[in-house]
Amino acid sequence: DVKVTQSSRYLVKRTGEKVFLECVQDMDHENMFWYRQDPGLGLRLIYFSYDVKMKEKGDIPEGYSVSREKKERFSLILESASTNQTSMYLCASSGPGQGKNTIYFGEGSWLTVV
Amino acid sequence: AQTVTQSQPEMSVQEAETVTLSCTYDTSENNYYLFWYKQPPSRQMILVIRQEAYKQQNATENRFSVNFQKAAKSFSLKISDSQLGDTAMYFCAFMTPNYGQNFVFGPGTRLSVLP
Repeated sequence: DVKVTQSSRYLVKRTGEKVFLECVQDMDHENMFWYRQDPGLGLRLIYFSYDVKMKEKGDIPEGYSVSREKKERFSLILESASTNQTSMYLCASSGPGQGKNTIYFGEGSWLTVV
Repeated sequence: AQTVTQSQPEMSVQEAETVTLSCTYDTSENNYYLFWYKQPPSRQMILVIRQEAYKQQNATENRFSVNFQKAAKSFSLKISDSQLGDTAMYFCAFMTPNYGQNFVFGPGTRLSVLP
């Protein structure tokens, strides 16, 4: 069974703090993604990675960075959290192998910045 | 640019009835995949159904089926015998299998199944 795990479901951080959101997949997928979901705005792609140490900007990369040191792990970093980054963050993975070119999502991380 | 449009922001259906959610997309690619995802109040995104563009036969999964019209670039989802548990946000999505597997999502349709 495919599995994408986001380690933190609910976080509350202060403005200016550095925030790490971790994501792990067990499907040996090449591609991993970070999305942000806000009411009325749908899913917006922040960054994606198609290989270890590779990253590409999505639609809204400002204020975020990512790290992919191992194939199974993709981290989203907020260097200095701001209140407008309060949102739900979804990690996902995909690949031509297990899961047949389908994107699979984690359960989401709810981040509140105060 | 590739886009996905869902023209119905909200819909409702009585329990046990049938409902169809619309989706259109725009692409110049010939090889692609289409998906419907369900997001219930728990916010977990769940794959409902998947269609490969080169397959003419419409995909079905139990009570869920699609009407894939490639020439019209239309990919609607039909839910038969609607159940209360079908209440969710439904997202149509499109993917081209180039590097990075670019997924494009529609804005979603909020479906309420009424008892």
